[in-house]
Amino acid sequence: DTGVSQDPRHKITKRGQNVTFRCDPISEHNRLYWYRQTLGQGPEFLTYFQNEAQLEKSRLLSDRFSAERPKGSFSTLEIQRTEQGDSAMYLCASSAGLAGALLSYEQFFGPGTRLTVL
Amino acid sequence: AQSVTQPDIHITVSEGASLELRCNYSYGATPYLFWYVQSPGQGLQLLLKYFSGDTLVQGIKGFEAEFKRSQSSFNLRKPSVHWSDAAEYFCAVAQNSGGSNYKLTFGKGTLLTVNP
Repeated sequence: DTGVSQDPRHKITKRGQNVTFRCDPISEHNRLYWYRQTLGQGPEFLTYFQNEAQLEKSRLLSDRFSAERPKGSFSTLEIQRTEQGDSAMYLCASSAGLAGALLSYEQFFGPGTRLTVL
Repeated sequence: AQSVTQPDIHITVSEGASLELRCNYSYGATPYLFWYVQSPGQGLQLLLKYFSGDTLVQGIKGFEAEFKRSQSSFNLRKPSVHWSDAAEYFCAVAQNSGGSNYKLTFGKGTLLTVNP
């Protein structure tokens, strides 16, 4: 399977607990994105990595959220002290990132991690 | 700030009927536009994309979309809908916020129901 993978697919946690999600992008892609999708809404941008550098964070990403991409390959998204409002689908996407190439704009999405905070 | 509007929250069509899903965008520069489809509990699958050139673009599963700059629209069409097309459809525009980040801004989606 050469697509984007995410783990776990589903996570149920109690309010106040910490959770961590993992994303494995397509192997040759150097750009990685995290989005959050709540019920009845389209995905919203959270953060962006080029290789291992986190270059942009949305204002949606409170200080309880942290994302890493330590070796420029897989990425993790951690939520500390979860709140019920964090319940959502967390989507990861990757793209090729070829400078000046339109292919850079096309993002490939993983299946998502569905988080439920009780 | 750029935005994407999908005016129809929910559309119901009969199998075999034609389909058009509307999308309007607001973006100052040349837009890069996408349509994605999402089945329940799943991630997003790219149906088609517009970067430049021919304003009528063909995608997978028999879908096509037409870019109309004068109307700021990028409507998705299919001549004959199949029951398996029932899903949620998202229009998106790529925004360059500086540097190498081309994040996507999505509409709220249109849920398609197909009646037998």
